[in-house]
Amino acid sequence: AQKITQTQPGMFVQEKEAVTLDCTYDTSDPSYGLFWYKQPSSGEMIFLIYQGSYDQQNATEGRYSLNFQKARKSANLVISASQLGDSAMYFCAMRGLLDSSYKLIFGSGTRLLVRP
Amino acid sequence: ETGVTQTPRHLVMGMTNKKSLKCEQHLGHNAMYWYKQSAKKPLELMFVYSLEERVENNSVPSRFSPECPNSSHLFLHLHTLQPEDSALYLCASSLHFGYENIQYFGAGTRLSVL
Repeated sequence: AQKITQTQPGMFVQEKEAVTLDCTYDTSDPSYGLFWYKQPSSGEMIFLIYQGSYDQQNATEGRYSLNFQKARKSANLVISASQLGDSAMYFCAMRGLLDSSYKLIFGSGTRLLVRP
Repeated sequence: ETGVTQTPRHLVMGMTNKKSLKCEQHLGHNAMYWYKQSAKKPLELMFVYSLEERVENNSVPSRFSPECPNSSHLFLHLHTLQPEDSALYLCASSLHFGYENIQYFGAGTRLSVL
């Protein structure tokens, strides 16, 4: 069975500093995708970044980068130069090639608060 | 502007009411999904449609009835709900089903059942 673990229920970061949100996963699938989503208090789940299991390089999207360590089964999200608008819930998710359920498996999330 | 639009954004209904949630995607995607997000629980997949055909139903009670008239629209018909059905209902779409396909979500409908 696939599983996503986010061990940080809440985090604080000072504005303009970088922050790392942890995510570890467990799967027996040979191929899989890892995703990060942001959910502000408004409720919308906003896609941030994707990493494929066979991608050689870590994914980057603007201020977001994914620190992918396959052997350790971790996919941490790094947000550089934090902004007040980054305050939200962040979810790590995965989906496997052999998973016939079509669903994204989500972690429990990390609430990030950016301090001015 | 989001590519996935959900209406209404908020809904309050009694246990005997019948209501419908609507989702529309403007991304040209072929797959659409309904998820339920309850407080302090991970997202739960409810239904999956591919090209208007239902391909997954995760043991959802029959008081939830999905409808996909075309690849751009998805509905969730609600009837005789229970208070524990109060949650945020999120619609998502993806181009295809492959594991690498990104699912794009709408803003959700926050449902309260009284």
